[in-house]
Amino acid sequence: AQSVTQLGSHVSVSEGALVLLRCNYSSSVPPYLFWYVQYPNQGLQLLLKYTSAATLVKGINGFEAEFKKSETSFHLTKPSAHMSDAAEYFCAVSGPNTGNQFYFGTGTSLTVIP
Amino acid sequence: ETGVTQSPTHLIKTRGQQVTLRCSSQSGHNTVSWYQQALGQGPQFIFQYYREEENGRGNFPPRFSGLQFPNYSSELNVNALELDDSALYLCASSSLAGLSDTQYFGPGTRLTVL
Repeated sequence: AQSVTQLGSHVSVSEGALVLLRCNYSSSVPPYLFWYVQYPNQGLQLLLKYTSAATLVKGINGFEAEFKKSETSFHLTKPSAHMSDAAEYFCAVSGPNTGNQFYFGTGTSLTVIP
Repeated sequence: ETGVTQSPTHLIKTRGQQVTLRCSSQSGHNTVSWYQQALGQGPQFIFQYYREEENGRGNFPPRFSGLQFPNYSSELNVNALELDDSALYLCASSSLAGLSDTQYFGPGTRLTVL
């Protein structure tokens, strides 16, 4: 079975500070991992994905994530937060045993303080 | 390239009624997945359709059913609505060319059951 856990349902950072959103996965096989962002009253937008190539993945809007197999983690980071980054962030996992089904975490709400 | 579209955007129903939600997949995509996102939660997989056949189902009762049409658009039908069915329903399309395919989400339909 595959699942993801997002530690911290709410994260607040100051504008210009480092953003770190945590995601740990559980998978019996090499997973595919995704980060999505959801703005209020909108659908989900892909930020980045890991598909067993480079372990450091760069995405849109300055976000990146590093796949660490030893820690079963795929944390999302951004060096400098912008007000427009305030949104809900979801980590998701899929893989050979899930077909094309995605399993999502419960989300982390990011607040950026001016 | 046209993205994933969903209709209607909002819907209000009463308990016991039936509802049909619609989704048009992104150009070139032959797979549609439906998710239920309750308030404050991550999306939960309902089912997936690939080339007009159900291709996986999550832990949802049979009163949740679907269709996919030759043009790869899709419908989600929910019978005997319950209060707990109130949620954002998301449709995602992908090409199923590989297991790591990204799912592209529509803006969702907000269903309220009174």
